Amino acid sequence: GAVVSQHPSWVICKSGTSVKIECRSLDFQATTMFWYRQFPKQSLMLMATSNEGSKATYEQGVEKDKFLINHASLTLSTLTVTSAHPEDSSFYICSARAASGRVDEQFFGPGTRLTVL
Amino acid sequence: AQSVTQLGSHVSVSEGALVLLRCNYSSSVPPYLFWYVQYPNQGLQLLLKYTSAATLVKGINGFEAEFKKSETSFHLTKPSAHMSDAAEYFCAVMRISAGNKLTFGGGTRVLVKP
Repeated sequence: GAVVSQHPSWVICKSGTSVKIECRSLDFQATTMFWYRQFPKQSLMLMATSNEGSKATYEQGVEKDKFLINHASLTLSTLTVTSAHPEDSSFYICSARAASGRVDEQFFGPGTRLTVL
Repeated sequence: AQSVTQLGSHVSVSEGALVLLRCNYSSSVPPYLFWYVQYPNQGLQLLLKYTSAATLVKGINGFEAEFKKSETSFHLTKPSAHMSDAAEYFCAVMRISAGNKLTFGGGTRVLVKP
């Protein structure tokens, strides 16, 4: 139980294009999903918190117009990197908290590696 | 504000030897503490967590960690390293009153030598 998937697992795109990454909770309902980015050989940095049916809350320094987050259902959140540039190349990881779960439990997806040429 | 410091970005151990990964935290209120493991190109897997119950926490794969409030530490140990323990390990802190967000340490990469 408590499986989180991400799609795609990797993506290569040209500079200036937009890329959408999906995060799904497969066997539970997630009221809250978190989006992280991880640069090579570095730690995870929280980008934003999304709650189902409401606007995402972005961390300081994260451009909300560049990283669009939608959490339209209890099992799906999407991160869209708009007008991607090479500096956006990173490993993006989502996590989900179950609606009926403990507040300290987050289940992580396998990550999406984005490479912008 | 809360922060996590992991001493040593790389640790090399021999197979069968003790694994010790250090983590110190700062938090204005008692936090929840976590250790996660990440294998290459994968997400994070929870090893164990401290949530204000027993200070010695046992996790999966033979790992355990001890919460020491006086030292603001939460070091991770495993008595005998296995080749499959080679991975990146992250210590994290969560302050329940602050949106239940995780703040991660810089990570420690473990190399296991045969």
